Amino acid sequence: AQSVTQLGSHVSVSEGALVLLRCNYSSSVPPYLFWYVQYPNQGLQLLLKYTSAATLVKGINGFEAEFKKSETSFHLTKPSAHMSDAAEYFCAVSFFSGGYNKLIFGAGTRLAVHP
Amino acid sequence: DAGVTQSPTHLIKTRGQQVTLRCSPKSGHDTVSWYQQALGQGPQFIFQYYEEEERQRGNFPDRFSGHQFPNYSSELNVNALLLGDSALYLCASSLDQGPGGYTFGSGTRLTVV
Repeated sequence: AQSVTQLGSHVSVSEGALVLLRCNYSSSVPPYLFWYVQYPNQGLQLLLKYTSAATLVKGINGFEAEFKKSETSFHLTKPSAHMSDAAEYFCAVSFFSGGYNKLIFGAGTRLAVHP
Repeated sequence: DAGVTQSPTHLIKTRGQQVTLRCSPKSGHDTVSWYQQALGQGPQFIFQYYEEEERQRGNFPDRFSGHQFPNYSSELNVNALLLGDSALYLCASSLDQGPGGYTFGSGTRLTVV
């Protein structure tokens, strides 16, 4: 069975500091991994995705994530936080098998950015 | 290029009533999935439609049903509403062939009173 664990429901950083949001997954088959961002009262926006190509994935807004199979992790990072990065972030996993796929989400991490 | 469109954006219903939510997928996408996001939680998979058939279903009761039309748009129906059905309902569209990712709509906020 597939599952996603996001460590830390709330993360707080200062503007300009490193952002690190942690995600660990469990999957019996090679996974596809995603990070989504959700701003208040909005839907989900795709930040980046890993689909078995390069293990270091670059996304929008300066975010990137590294797929580490040995650690079953897909942590999201950004070198320098901006006030506009304050939002809820969700890690998700899926696998593709004969067209049957669905996203399984973690519980989310709320990122706060202080001036 | 229009993304995923959901309607209505907000809805208030009374316990026991029925509700229908609508979703138009992104142009070129043929698969529609529905998710329920309760306050403070991650989205939970309800079901997925492809070629007008439900082909995957999450752990939701039969009160939740859906439909997909020939133009790929979809409806989510919930009968006998409970207070616990209050949530943000998200529609996501995707292309069946390939894990290219899912495009989400802005959701419908359902409040059951």
